[in-house]
Amino acid sequence: AQKITQTQPGMFVQEKEAVTLDCTYDTSDPSYGLFWYKQPSSGEMIFLIYQGSYDQQNATEGRYSLNFQKARKSANLVISASQLGDSAMYFCAMRMDLKLVFGQGTRLTINP
Amino acid sequence: DTAVSQTPKYLVTQMGNDKSIKCEQNLGHDTMYWYKQDSKKFLKIMFSYNNKELIINETVPNRFSPKSPDKAHLNLHINSLELGDSAVYFCASSQDTVAGGRYNEQFFGPGTRLTVL
Repeated sequence: AQKITQTQPGMFVQEKEAVTLDCTYDTSDPSYGLFWYKQPSSGEMIFLIYQGSYDQQNATEGRYSLNFQKARKSANLVISASQLGDSAMYFCAMRMDLKLVFGQGTRLTINP
Repeated sequence: DTAVSQTPKYLVTQMGNDKSIKCEQNLGHDTMYWYKQDSKKFLKIMFSYNNKELIINETVPNRFSPKSPDKAHLNLHINSLELGDSAVYFCASSQDTVAGGRYNEQFFGPGTRLTVL
């Protein structure tokens, strides 16, 4: 069965620093997709970035980039130049078939 | 314009009651989902419908019954509510084209916080 693991329950970072949120996954299927979502305190789920298992390059979306290491089965999210508004829960998810399987989440706090 | 909407946003009810949560998407997507987020923030899929047909049912008690009158709506009815049903319920939708990839991104509604007393 597929599984997603986020080993950092909480992280504290100084504003303007870069931060890496870890995500490892386990699947035997060669075709899969990896997503990162942000959930601020207001509760909504916001899509950040996507990486496909066959993508040759690491995904980037503005200040977000994904450090995809397929052999290690890791898909870490990198946020550059963090801002106070980045404080939120962050979820890594893997898509297989038609469903998303989520990790436990990481609560990121940006300190001024 | 709201892409995925849910009503109500908050629902407080007594144990044993029956309640419904409604979800609508105006994105023209084919697939809709219900997820449950527990008090520890863990998100787990409950159901998925594709063009009004149930395609995923993740070991959810049969007190939970999804209903999709058309592909833009997926409602969740819960019978005989229990304390453990207290959670945030998210509706989501996706296009799920053959192209796959980013186009399978799931768009989430704002969530419904259910509190069972």
